[in-house]
Amino acid sequence: GAGVSQSPSNKVTEKGKDVELRCDPISGHTALYWYRQRLGQGLEFLIYFQGNSAPDKSGLPSDRFSAERTGESVSTLTIQRTQQEDSAVYLCASSSGTGNLAYNEQFFGPGTRLTVL
Amino acid sequence: AQTVTQSQPEMSVQEAETVTLSCTYDTSESNYYLFWYKQPPSRQMILVIRQEAYKQQNATENRFSVNFQKAAKSFSLKISDSQLGDTAMYFCASMTSGTYKYIFGTGTRLKVLA
Repeated sequence: GAGVSQSPSNKVTEKGKDVELRCDPISGHTALYWYRQRLGQGLEFLIYFQGNSAPDKSGLPSDRFSAERTGESVSTLTIQRTQQEDSAVYLCASSSGTGNLAYNEQFFGPGTRLTVL
Repeated sequence: AQTVTQSQPEMSVQEAETVTLSCTYDTSESNYYLFWYKQPPSRQMILVIRQEAYKQQNATENRFSVNFQKAAKSFSLKISDSQLGDTAMYFCASMTSGTYKYIFGTGTRLKVLA
């Protein structure tokens, strides 16, 4: 596709349920990032993938959060036993993943708005 | 720890006028990048402009320019000839060279008035 896509666009769930959020990066981009954006806040880093490996999971807020990436393409962020404080927009980004990562522009998807009732 | 501060939660500007959004940051790193991102209601973050800290010349992109004051750790964004499509949240961010983690400010909501 032309850009990063995410699904679903919006997700409403009940407290305690598990949710899966999907990210399709730009084709050929080896680096993939997940961020969380709480209401009125900037983005918080969650996890970084290089290929299918996640060398940095330091931003995951608890063991209820996990992510995987397959085929150096699609990534899924899973939140188990959701809590109300998990309500936020979850954004995914991808970049070429070569050279100085700070120099490579990260292209963002439109995010998934998660609401936990 | 790195921090980015945006002290203007909301701003408005008349169409065709110029507006400046403020940002200050704190870092102990010598090599870093600074960014301004735009987030319209569609939620998609769009890179507006980027500045390498080692460059003294201020970055410009069409109607967008920055005033980078390294000693003061200030990185303001100037939007000239404001257009209705500029209405969005604007986030200032920093990133240490060689890393990939943004440090974002809390954003400034800009409204361009017709």
